[in-house]
Amino acid sequence: GAVVSQHPSRVICKSGTSVKIECRSLDFQATTMFWYRQFPKKSLMLMATSNEGSKATYEQGVEKDKFLINHASLTLSTLTVTSAHPEDSSFYICSALLLAGGPISSYEQYFGPGTRLTVT
Amino acid sequence: GEDVEQSLFLSVREGDSSVINCTYTDSSSTYLYWYKQEPGAGLQLLTYIFSNMDMKQDQRLTVLLNKKDKHLSLRIADTQTGDSAIYFCAEKITGTASKLTFGTGTRLQVTL
Repeated sequence: GAVVSQHPSRVICKSGTSVKIECRSLDFQATTMFWYRQFPKKSLMLMATSNEGSKATYEQGVEKDKFLINHASLTLSTLTVTSAHPEDSSFYICSALLLAGGPISSYEQYFGPGTRLTVT
Repeated sequence: GEDVEQSLFLSVREGDSSVINCTYTDSSSTYLYWYKQEPGAGLQLLTYIFSNMDMKQDQRLTVLLNKKDKHLSLRIADTQTGDSAIYFCAEKITGTASKLTFGTGTRLQVTL
């Protein structure tokens, strides 16, 4: 259980075009999803928190008009990189929040496999 | 602050134990995690420890937490070539809506 998928896994686009990346929770519902960006040989940087039915919350320094997030259903969040430029090339990873059981219940993040974006 | 630091690289021989270290600065963390990332893939949760625990063991993995020194470590016993990956520690801070702050990552290389 708790499987998160991303589509596409890899995309190459031309500068100036827009690219949409999907994040799906396959076997659970997630009111909250997170979008991260990972530069080569670097850690994950949280971009935004995606909330179902409401606006996303962006981290400081992340342009909300550049990185559009839509959390239209309890199993799908999309990240659209608008007017992409070569500096937007990166590995984008999403995660979905699920209440985990066990002796200490808490909300835990389950990660997707990532999407490699290359802008030429 | 929310800085989480790790050493960049660790090389061990197959069969030896690996110890990956992590230091953090925010004392209000509730959970601390270890994730594994293989090349070109997402993150796989390996284990986690609640902040009021000192140690947690799960098969080949042992997590040690020193809250006073804000130091977390992951020990992998009998390291295998399949353990070669990047390992990230992460902390969840109280009151941040389950956000995680990730460490810089440690690349573990297992040699024969």
